Amino acid sequence: KQEVTQIPAALSVPEGENLVLNCSFTDSAIYNLQWFRQDPGKGLTSLLLIQSSQREQTSGRLNASLDKSSGRSTLYIAASQPGDSATYLCAPSPYNTNAGKSTFGDGTTLTVKP
Amino acid sequence: KAGVTQTPRYLIKTRGQQVTLSCSPISGHRSVSWYQQTPGQGLQFLFEYFSETQRNKGNFPGRFSGRQFSNSRSEMNVSTLELGDSALYLCASSLYFGGGNTIYFGEGSWLTVV
Repeated sequence: KQEVTQIPAALSVPEGENLVLNCSFTDSAIYNLQWFRQDPGKGLTSLLLIQSSQREQTSGRLNASLDKSSGRSTLYIAASQPGDSATYLCAPSPYNTNAGKSTFGDGTTLTVKP
Repeated sequence: KAGVTQTPRYLIKTRGQQVTLSCSPISGHRSVSWYQQTPGQGLQFLFEYFSETQRNKGNFPGRFSGRQFSNSRSEMNVSTLELGDSALYLCASSLYFGGGNTIYFGEGSWLTVV
């Protein structure tokens, strides 16, 4: 059974800092890994999806990396802004379609102070 | 293109009652999956429907059920509500079922059981 751990659980940084969020997963047999953002009381918004064959994926100030063999992914946020404040969740997706959907970590709650 | 639409957004029910939540996926998406999110348990997978058939199921009691219609819209039902069922219920759609597909979430339905 896939287990996903996200460290740290919470992070507070001043505006403008670069930061890294970590995601670890126990089962490396994944098809892809998706990073999501969740604002309080809202649904999840997809940020980046990395295929298992890729090592990095970039979108604007966000860069996600994947090391499948070691069961790790990181989300790098450059020049953080107060609007980046949210909870970030990672979700590795199983290769086997009958193995169910993605397993989600508990997330890292980010606060960016002006 | 319209996103995933969930109704109702907020509802309050009494213990022992039943509730039905609705989800309209992104146009062209045939897979709908449901998740329960609570502060203590995080985001947990309930079940997934594709072409009107349940394809995957999480570890929830039989009080939780769902169905999918020919237009891919889905409903989930919780019978004999318990206080612990209070949660944010999230629906997600994707093109196909199982792992490996990008998931798009709705805003969720907040259920409070009193």
